Amino acid sequence: AQSVTQLGSHVSVSEGALVLLRCNYSSSVPPYLFWYVQYPNQGLQLLLKYTSAATLVKGINGFEAEFKKSETSFHLTKPSAHMSDAAEYFCAVSRAGNTPLVFGKGTRLSVIA
Amino acid sequence: EAGVTQSPTHLIKTRGQQATLRCSPISGHTSVYWYQQALGLGLQFLLWYDEGEERNRGNFPPRFSGRQFPNYSSELNVNALELEDSALYLCASSLAPSAYNEQFFGPGTRLTVL
Repeated sequence: AQSVTQLGSHVSVSEGALVLLRCNYSSSVPPYLFWYVQYPNQGLQLLLKYTSAATLVKGINGFEAEFKKSETSFHLTKPSAHMSDAAEYFCAVSRAGNTPLVFGKGTRLSVIA
Repeated sequence: EAGVTQSPTHLIKTRGQQATLRCSPISGHTSVYWYQQALGLGLQFLLWYDEGEERNRGNFPPRFSGRQFPNYSSELNVNALELEDSALYLCASSLAPSAYNEQFFGPGTRLTVL
């Protein structure tokens, strides 16, 4: 069975500081990994996805994530936080032949001016 | 291009009633997924439809059911509503089923059970 663990239900950073949101996965086969963002009262929007093409994945809004098989991690980073980055972020995993996404519990990012 | 749409935006029901939620996928998408986002429980997979057939089902009781119509739109039905069914229900669509195809999400229907 596959699962996702997001460390930290709430992360707070200052505007301009590094954003680091942690995600560890468990999968018996090579996974496909996704990061989604959810702004208040909205659905989910894809930030980026890993599909085995490259270990460092660049997404929208300046976010990127690095797939580390040895650490079973897929942490999301952004060099400089903006106020508009305040939202809930979800890491998700799926694998071939089983397309429903398995989500982590989410991390709420707050950005302090 | 229109995104995934869901209706209604909000739905208030009482215990024991039935709720019907609707979803229209992005044009050209054949797969529709339903997820429940309940407070404190995160996002949980409910149902997956593709080409009119139910392809997979999450760990939910049979009173959660649905269908996909020939135009690929979908309906989620929840019978015998319980208080714990109160949640945001998200619909997503994707191209032909594949683990690496992005799922595009609608804004959700917030179901409140009183």
